[in-house]
Amino acid sequence: NAGVTQTPKFRILKIGQSMTLQCTQDMNHNYMYWYRQDPGMGLKLIYYSVGAGITDKGEVPNGYNVSRSTTEDFPLRLELAAPSQTSVYFCASSPETGGRETQYFGPGTRLLVL
Amino acid sequence: DQQVKQNSPSLSVQEGRISILNCDYTNSMFDYFLWYKKYPAEGPTFLISISSIKDKNEDGRFTVFLNKSAKHLSLHIVPSQPGDSAVYFCARNAGNMLTFGGGTRLMVKP
Repeated sequence: NAGVTQTPKFRILKIGQSMTLQCTQDMNHNYMYWYRQDPGMGLKLIYYSVGAGITDKGEVPNGYNVSRSTTEDFPLRLELAAPSQTSVYFCASSPETGGRETQYFGPGTRLLVL
Repeated sequence: DQQVKQNSPSLSVQEGRISILNCDYTNSMFDYFLWYKKYPAEGPTFLISISSIKDKNEDGRFTVFLNKSAKHLSLHIVPSQPGDSAVYFCARNAGNMLTFGGGTRLMVKP
């Protein structure tokens, strides 16, 4: 049981390039999330999904896209990278919402846009 | 705007003493507050939570207190250990989304 895995661990992008951050979970969780964490700040929600085929915007969705074709995978797409997207990105999953159930986080992807 | 704030960016404590991490919120509509712990180059891991219907929740060395009138919660770690050195985030879970505070870096000195 690997939990939540993310690839790559680190990536440098040039302005205007695109990339996909991969996220996979093997816990059969319905809910999945993408967060970004800027230096010295808390995590902010980018997008989330409550099940395959269903996604919704979080607090900071601009510049990103997501898809959820399977329960296991929840990739995050950056179409035109900008320096403001330099951050650490965390994917998370949870079995349900409701408050008490915690979210399980991946190790993160560090992205640098130059 | 539902905010969660941690006003102390860092805290240094001697091993064996109590660590107290604080968190304030600006809206009373919530179900649960959670505390997460984060080591460098790792994702956050869940530590402890508290429901809005409770004032206190305890799990081993960790206790979370909720003061609804002051809109304040705190995490107590007793006794503190060097392995507790990490960044601690409080978060509010309302519906599908977690809202995080900015984090407090705890350093426990041997």
